[in-house]
Amino acid sequence: AQKVTQAQTEISVVEKEDVTLDCVYETRDTTYYLFWYKQPPSGELVFLIRRNSFDEQNEISGRYSWNFQKSTSSFNFTITASQVVDSAVYFCALSEGDRGSTLGRLYFGRGTQLTVWP
Amino acid sequence: DGGITQSPKYLFRKEGQNVTLSCEQNLNHDAMYWYRQDPGQGLRLIYYSQIVNDFQKGDIAEGYSVSREKKESFPLTVTSAQKNPTAFYLCASSIASGNSYEQYFGPGTRLTVT
Repeated sequence: AQKVTQAQTEISVVEKEDVTLDCVYETRDTTYYLFWYKQPPSGELVFLIRRNSFDEQNEISGRYSWNFQKSTSSFNFTITASQVVDSAVYFCALSEGDRGSTLGRLYFGRGTQLTVWP
Repeated sequence: DGGITQSPKYLFRKEGQNVTLSCEQNLNHDAMYWYRQDPGQGLRLIYYSQIVNDFQKGDIAEGYSVSREKKESFPLTVTSAQKNPTAFYLCASSIASGNSYEQYFGPGTRLTVT
């Protein structure tokens, strides 16, 4: 079963629009970590944020914000006033509690391709 | 500048040949990882290493092999046993192997086997 689901395969918006990328995860652990990565056309994944399961505060970083809701197992990512440079594939990922063989493993969603048009 | 290097960026091989992808990091990270990415797919874990001289299989290790003789290097060999080797390969590292640490990625190697 998929541990991380990104239901939106592709999203297109026009510059300056706000856009939300959805991420739903599945785990039985009480301790876990959630991540968002950006993959621009160059291919390299860029780390954006890490959130642990005990911290449900929303986070804002410039035009980026993240909404973590344990009740719905979601960790959504919003870009405000989108720009052309935001065009990329965005991945949500999960790592579970420190239990031996799962140490260091990241489970990725399939990614959402965001295209921002000028 | 600290980072992860993967070379080459593009690699072409004939079917039946083994090929080794390079991954080097100068971040002094203990843990290193190899992922495979196919179009429309997320990243799938091939192998990972928590420490020098130790590595574990990921979800799709069949047809691949790795070594970790030095902390900074984690080469991946794609063998002729890998049935569908054409893909984008990403190497990553993290400061330690605990699950709270973010992974940093290299620029990737796009392998095409014909």
